[in-house]
Amino acid sequence: GAGVSQSPSNKVTEKGKDVELRCDPISGHTALYWYRQRLGQGLEFLIYFQGNSAPDKSGLPSDRFSAERTGESVSTLTIQRTQQEDSAVYLCASSLRLAGGSYNEQFFGPGTRLTVL
Amino acid sequence: AQSVTQPDIHITVSEGASLELRCNYSYGATPYLFWYVQSPGQGLQLLLKYFSGDTLVQGIKGFEAEFKRSQSSFNLRKPSVHWSDAAEYFCAVATTGNQFYFGTGTSLTVIP
Repeated sequence: GAGVSQSPSNKVTEKGKDVELRCDPISGHTALYWYRQRLGQGLEFLIYFQGNSAPDKSGLPSDRFSAERTGESVSTLTIQRTQQEDSAVYLCASSLRLAGGSYNEQFFGPGTRLTVL
Repeated sequence: AQSVTQPDIHITVSEGASLELRCNYSYGATPYLFWYVQSPGQGLQLLLKYFSGDTLVQGIKGFEAEFKRSQSSFNLRKPSVHWSDAAEYFCAVATTGNQFYFGTGTSLTVIP
């Protein structure tokens, strides 16, 4: 079946503009994660959606960052008033809940490369 | 607090040589452990995972990893490296709360 998809693949924006990044998880995956990966760095957790529970927003770096998820499908990550330090690849991943409540591995999308000029 | 440490930022090996990438984690309960690979310009691909049972797990592309609870380690190994293995490798731990923590990655260069 189809994997995790993200759009756009690349986004160039001017400092101060708002951007919206989209993630389509694998159908049936109840968990969805957003990460940020700066050039040459590891993955920085941003936010995590788990079914209908309140999202874990503990990784969002500032109030300029927000994310929404419609049920167990599409998620959008919004960055308001973008800054140059927001330039990074934004990765989305989804995961299937296993019997017993734990989760299987994450399946990653190809990412959105954001460049803030 | 949970964390994952990959002490080697960059490793260079000759093609055909053996490889071991180190990963140490900090987590109070039994962890779920993963190794991912990220090739240049590509997304992250799962190499292998450990949930329970046999502490030596086999993955794709000839990789294996061994979970050592006493050392809080989950090192990745391959007996003979191929040039196509050049990539960034990430170790991750998942908690029972389904939060994932990734290491900062180890960049592997393979020389002919």
